[in-house]
Amino acid sequence: QEQLVQSGGGVVQPGGSLRLSCAASGFTLSSFGMHWVRQAPGKGLQWVAFIRHTGNNKFYSDSVEGRFIISRDTSENTLYLQMNSLRPEDTSLYFCAKGNGAFDVWGQGTMVIVSS
Amino acid sequence: EIVMTQSPATLSVSPGERATLSCKASQNISSHLAWYQQKPGQAPRLLIYGASTRVTGPPGKFSGSGSGTEFTLTISDMQSEDFAAYYCQQYNSWPLWTFGQGTKVDSK
Repeated sequence: QEQLVQSGGGVVQPGGSLRLSCAASGFTLSSFGMHWVRQAPGKGLQWVAFIRHTGNNKFYSDSVEGRFIISRDTSENTLYLQMNSLRPEDTSLYFCAKGNGAFDVWGQGTMVIVSS
Repeated sequence: EIVMTQSPATLSVSPGERATLSCKASQNISSHLAWYQQKPGQAPRLLIYGASTRVTGPPGKFSGSGSGTEFTLTISDMQSEDFAAYYCQQYNSWPLWTFGQGTKVDSK
């Protein structure tokens, strides 16, 4: 069945960088749009970034534009989120998700803590 | 940006009763609305897309309605596994997806 397995995350100092990974199985990334969504502790869901199935178009929320980069490796069938210039307010549980409209498959989530 | 507003923030329901959740969009989003269920420590799970097309759950458990700016999720016969947080999400304003702030349904 379709599945997303995440890795990466951890504790990083403000201004630091981190890369999240999301390995897909049961489907190919080149056929579907993919997203990153985050959830701050005790808060709701916030969409972060999207990459089209072609890989040519990428979109970001205003809060991460210019700092985060979404990418994918089709040979590994893996989605990535490179997070640079991290801020304390980026502390969240990060999910990858599949879908062009509604998000029908989600990863298990990985925690990112930005703290000195 | 389209703002999604859910109400109430918390809904207390007795087991066996029906829960009715509301979601309002700041602009017309046609039927481009999804509902998700999220339990503590878990990823969200898609319940409904297209405002009313059910993805999962037994028939009659989760039902969605509405179009334009006002939407409703109805959960019938609340059971212990249904107590969770529920989020609506619009995908009309592509490529800018937005979620409501969520409704937590707990046991009365």
